[in-house]
Amino acid sequence: SQQGEEDPQALSIQEGENATMNCSYKTSINNLQWYRQNSGRGLVHLILIRSNEREKHSGRLRVTLDTSKKSSSLLITASRAADTASYFCATRSGAGSYQLTFGKGTKLSVIP
Amino acid sequence: AAGVIQSPRHLIKEKRETATLKCYPIPRHDTVYWYQQGPGQDPQFLISFYEKMQSDKGSIPDRFSAQQFSDYHSELNMSSLELGDSALYFCASSPRGGNGYTFGSGTRLTVV
Repeated sequence: SQQGEEDPQALSIQEGENATMNCSYKTSINNLQWYRQNSGRGLVHLILIRSNEREKHSGRLRVTLDTSKKSSSLLITASRAADTASYFCATRSGAGSYQLTFGKGTKLSVIP
Repeated sequence: AAGVIQSPRHLIKEKRETATLKCYPIPRHDTVYWYQQGPGQDPQFLISFYEKMQSDKGSIPDRFSAQQFSDYHSELNMSSLELGDSALYFCASSPRGGNGYTFGSGTRLTVV
């Protein structure tokens, strides 16, 4: 099965609302990262949370990690139209393996 | 700051032709990764190199090959192109340890 499944697949909210996206994974990880991708463009790194961390903040972003449930969530507060993009979680597994395994992504639409 | 440079940005090829994609990593990043992202899909890991040696291999078809050169740039060679090879191809680089990934803007390959 695919590592890093995103939930929901698509999310549409009004500007100013909060957006929460979830990610689940199957194997043990070294860290989990969230990326943003505007339509057909490059992947932009947002935030990285290590396996021994439970929560991390960066500006309007808040990421949580629950290794017992093998899940993570990304919260974007006070959303803006410019936040419209696809959001992917990606996991890096343990020592010796450095590639990222991406989930399916959540397509977020923020309506002005 | 310098980013990961990929060339070309767009490429159109006919079936059965060959294509070469280039990636120039961030200076002092010694690890390069290649990912393929089909339309509406998540990025899939193809192959990675560390210090000019292949380090990990993912779902890379036998028709594809890649290498990393002495200046750390990498090339992805794709032969006998098929319609299904049409995708965005991303290169990323990182220092050893896999944290601090930076993705390039990608090469959009269209096979007709």
